[in-house]
Amino acid sequence: EVQLLESGGGLVQPGGSLRLSCAASGFTFSNYAMSWVRQAPGKGLEWVSAISSSGGSTYYADSVKGRFTISRDNSKNTLYLQMNSLRAEDTAVYFCAIRGRYSSNWFSYFEYWGQGALVTVSS
Amino acid sequence: EIVMTQSPATLSVSPGERATLSCRASQSVSSNLAWYQQKPGQAPRLLIYGASTRATGIPARFSGSGSGTEFTLTISSLQSEDFAVYYCQQYNNWPLFGQGTKVEIK
Repeated sequence: EVQLLESGGGLVQPGGSLRLSCAASGFTFSNYAMSWVRQAPGKGLEWVSAISSSGGSTYYADSVKGRFTISRDNSKNTLYLQMNSLRAEDTAVYFCAIRGRYSSNWFSYFEYWGQGALVTVSS
Repeated sequence: EIVMTQSPATLSVSPGERATLSCRASQSVSSNLAWYQQKPGQAPRLLIYGASTRATGIPARFSGSGSGTEFTLTISSLQSEDFAVYYCQQYNNWPLFGQGTKVEIK
């Protein structure tokens, strides 16, 4: 069974930093590109960042480019999101998600999702 | 820049009735369109990808259609567990979601 478990969320002051982790199990983690998707309270879904299966390629939404860094450790089956210079508008539940297998594009749908980690940016 | 527009924002339906949800892209996304269901406090669940292919374990009452700029998710006979928010997402390029349609009990 595929499992994705996010951790590392919490309350942080504006301008602060936080690192999210996503522990993966039940599939061959090193074979799949991964993404982070967020959802502000009461709002819709927003794709944040993606990383290739090897970690050699990364992509970011304009809203987080230069502030967030996605990475992975395939030996630990873990995905990360380092978030710096946090703003109030970054307050959201952050989901990690597995790239869908059946897409001819590099970007794809999201086949499985974790339960999410809440990040609150407030003074 | 692509814009994804879902309609209606809220759909009131009685159990057993048919629900039809619409998703429109501002430019063609081919068949690179997915649908998700999200219940309060839960992660989204993939329903449809490739505009019309049901994901693993999704009941046959869910069907997707369309290509290019116009897409439809149909739930043929609403069950109690289907009342939720539904999102479309294009993946022709950078992933982008619609704003969602809430399906509520009439």
